[in-house]
Amino acid sequence: QKEVEQDPGPLSVPEGAIVSLNCTYSNSAFQYFMWYRQYSRKGPELLMYTYSSGNKEDGRFTAQVDKSSKYISLFIRDSQPSDSATYLCAMGPLSGGYNKLIFGAGTRLAVHP
Amino acid sequence: GAVVSQHPSRVICKSGTSVKIECRSLDFQATTMFWYRQFPKQSLMLMATSNEGSKATYEQGVEKDKFLINHASLTLSTLTVTSAHPEDSSFYICSARVGASGRKGEQFFGPGTRLTVL
Repeated sequence: QKEVEQDPGPLSVPEGAIVSLNCTYSNSAFQYFMWYRQYSRKGPELLMYTYSSGNKEDGRFTAQVDKSSKYISLFIRDSQPSDSATYLCAMGPLSGGYNKLIFGAGTRLAVHP
Repeated sequence: GAVVSQHPSRVICKSGTSVKIECRSLDFQATTMFWYRQFPKQSLMLMATSNEGSKATYEQGVEKDKFLINHASLTLSTLTVTSAHPEDSSFYICSARVGASGRKGEQFFGPGTRLTVL
């Protein structure tokens, strides 16, 4: 079993839809959680970063963490064609000097006009 | 802020040659840099972690003699693919951590280097 599970998709939605992207994890030591967006042939860019359970909102993006269920989500409201990309969840433990991130497989999202 | 650059963005080489990829943190000092490899439609695979001035730590299954990493300064790390073969063709991405002042685990990624070995 992988430490982080993420449905690779692809996920296709119409413009304006609410998108829900999810990851589950098995390691209870994971304490910080991130969502990255990666456009084709580009490096990932950080979208959201959170330590705690609950919701964190930034513009059209909301990150949700449920540590008791070991489940995190990213919601995108009013999705746009420019949101079409691969979304990677990433997480790691507070301990450890190198702070290595564990990534999900990435979900490919296509938003069509 | 927190910009990471990579050079070159794309390289095509003949089998048997060595290729060097540079990763630079442009506006911050990176105590730790990471090198990843990504195959088409797959996630990032961590190859190695390097700290400035010390030897890199390689992930299991990554040949340290084939993928040479040098983290010579707080703003520069290099990955050299030695005696490259077609199976080394991939997208190589570096990332950097800000250091103690940054958020735990947060990494800033470069734009990647596409290596094609003929």
